[in-house]
Amino acid sequence: KQEVTQIPAALSVPEGENLVLNCSFTDSAIYNLQWFRQDPGKGLTSLLLIQSSQREQTSGRLNASLDKSSGRSTLYIAASQPGDSATYLCAVRPSGGSQGNLIFGKGTKLSVKP
Amino acid sequence: DVKVTQSSRYLVKRTGEKVFLECVQDMDHENMFWYRQDPGLGLRLIYFSYDVKMKEKGDIPEGYSVSREKKERFSLILESASTNQTSMYLCASSKRSSYNSPLHFGNGTRLTVT
Repeated sequence: KQEVTQIPAALSVPEGENLVLNCSFTDSAIYNLQWFRQDPGKGLTSLLLIQSSQREQTSGRLNASLDKSSGRSTLYIAASQPGDSATYLCAVRPSGGSQGNLIFGKGTKLSVKP
Repeated sequence: DVKVTQSSRYLVKRTGEKVFLECVQDMDHENMFWYRQDPGLGLRLIYFSYDVKMKEKGDIPEGYSVSREKKERFSLILESASTNQTSMYLCASSKRSSYNSPLHFGNGTRLTVT
């Protein structure tokens, strides 16, 4: 059974620091991995989607990498800002099964201090 | 931009009431989803619909039903609300044509059952 883990559960950094968020999954048979951001009391906003054939995706100050064979993905945030404070979740879509089958991690709560 | 709209941000209902949560998307997506999110448990899929009148049970369908009469609208129904259904409910949508279509979420409905 696919499991997705995000460690640490919470992270606090000073403004301006570059940081890496981690996501690991137990089964490498996936179609893709998606990173989301969630602000308190709000829904999830899609940040990046990496297909299984890709190694990385970039959007602005965000860079997500995928190493399927080791079951790992990282989200790199450059020059962090207080506005980046949020919970970041990753989710994998396992190969096979229906399109409803998306497995989420529990998230890393990021706090960027001014 | 994809817009997924949930009709209520906050709802307070009494035990035993029948509760309707509504979700509308404006991007002609075939797939629509209902999740609930609880502290420590993460996101769990309640129901998934891949077309009008079509549905699949997710991980925790007990106590819930759904309705998809029109492509843009997906309703979650709590037949007889109970206190353990107090939660944040999130609706999402995606295109069916590709397993690599990202998921787009609404802002959530925080339901309290007293």
